[in-house]
Amino acid sequence: AQSVTQLGSHVSVSEGALVLLRCNYSSSVPPYLFWYVQYPNQGLQLLLKYTTGATLVKGINGFEAEFKKSETSFHLTKPSAHMSDAAEYFCAVSVGNYQLIWGAGTKLIIKP
Amino acid sequence: DAGVIQSPRHEVTEMGQEVTLRCKPISGHDYLFWYRQTMMRGLELLIYFNNNVPIDDSGMPEDRFSAKMPNASFSTLKIQPSEPRDSAVYFCASSNLKNHEQYFGPGTRLTVT
Repeated sequence: AQSVTQLGSHVSVSEGALVLLRCNYSSSVPPYLFWYVQYPNQGLQLLLKYTTGATLVKGINGFEAEFKKSETSFHLTKPSAHMSDAAEYFCAVSVGNYQLIWGAGTKLIIKP
Repeated sequence: DAGVIQSPRHEVTEMGQEVTLRCKPISGHDYLFWYRQTMMRGLELLIYFNNNVPIDDSGMPEDRFSAKMPNASFSTLKIQPSEPRDSAVYFCASSNLKNHEQYFGPGTRLTVT
């Protein structure tokens, strides 16, 4: 069965520091991988996605993620955190039936 | 495009009452998903439709929950009777065959007292 694991329910970084949110997945078939962001009292918004091709994917707001098949990982990074990045981030995998399997989410806290 | 539209945005009701949540997916999208989000359980898939047909309702918690999609532009999620433990944010999302992205509505915050 497919699954997604996000390491750390809360991650705290200082403003200007590197953001690293971890996501590992299990899938028996080539996956489509997604990161979504949820700001307080809002719906989920797509940050970026990997389908095929280049394994380094760039998304909105300066975020990027790298698909590493050997490590079954799809970690999300941003070189320099902004206060506006404070939100909850969800990793998800789609395995062909258009249903997404979701991670539990990671709340990103930005310290001034 | 206006995106996925959900109504109402907030609903407060008393235990035992019927609640109906509404969703209008993005035009041209073939898939529609209903999710529930709570602090305790996170994001849960309740049911999803393809071309208006329910495909998987294994996430529907109880018989008190039902969902319909009478046409490609409208879906409802009904809870009857409602209970305090149904309090949550309910999201509708839609997707199409071009990719697997799901587009979320703003959600309905349901409070059952």
